[in-house]
Amino acid sequence: ILNVEQSPQSLHVQEGDSTNFTCSFPSSNFYALHWYRWETAKSPEALFVMTLNGDEKKKGRISATLNTKEGYSYLYIKGSQPEDSATYLCASPMEYGNKLVFGAGTILRVKS
Amino acid sequence: SQTIHQWPATLVQPVGSPLSLECTVEGTSNPNLYWYRQAAGRGLQLLFYSVGIGQISSEVPQNLSASRPQDRQFILSSKKLLLSDSGFYLCAWSVRLSNRGRTDTQYFGPGTRLTVL
Repeated sequence: ILNVEQSPQSLHVQEGDSTNFTCSFPSSNFYALHWYRWETAKSPEALFVMTLNGDEKKKGRISATLNTKEGYSYLYIKGSQPEDSATYLCASPMEYGNKLVFGAGTILRVKS
Repeated sequence: SQTIHQWPATLVQPVGSPLSLECTVEGTSNPNLYWYRQAAGRGLQLLFYSVGIGQISSEVPQNLSASRPQDRQFILSSKKLLLSDSGFYLCAWSVRLSNRGRTDTQYFGPGTRLTVL
């Protein structure tokens, strides 16, 4: 059974701080790693899909890296803003299809 | 553009009562459709997956069922709700663009908050 883990469970930072959190997944039979952002009262929104070891993706102040050999991905937020407050989810597809296994998420709260 | 609708937005039901949650997608054809549940303090758990009309894959044994009577309609049902069925239910869709779909983005609906008392 594919197990995707995220840490920390929650994070409180001040506006302007940079932050990062981790997604861990089995390094064997890796296919892809998805990051989603889920704001309160909204639907989860796709941020990145990463497939290659060493991949780095960027979207504004948010970036992500991927290490498939050791089985982790980092999500970085530079200069956090209150609007970055959300739950950040990572997910990896099961071996036999495009069904995603999600981590429990990291809840980020940015205080102004 | 594509949109996904879910209803109702919130639902409070007694234990033992039936359930029907509906999800519809507009602006795309032959999507893959998914039902997820987020229980309190836990991540998103895939419940059902469908690649076409009448084709349902169940991921977790439970007292819920799903049906896809039309291409862009996905229904989650139960004959008798349990307390453990409480949670936030999300419907999602994707279109297969990549080999085996493993990099396909999933697009989520607004969700239904179900409380079973």
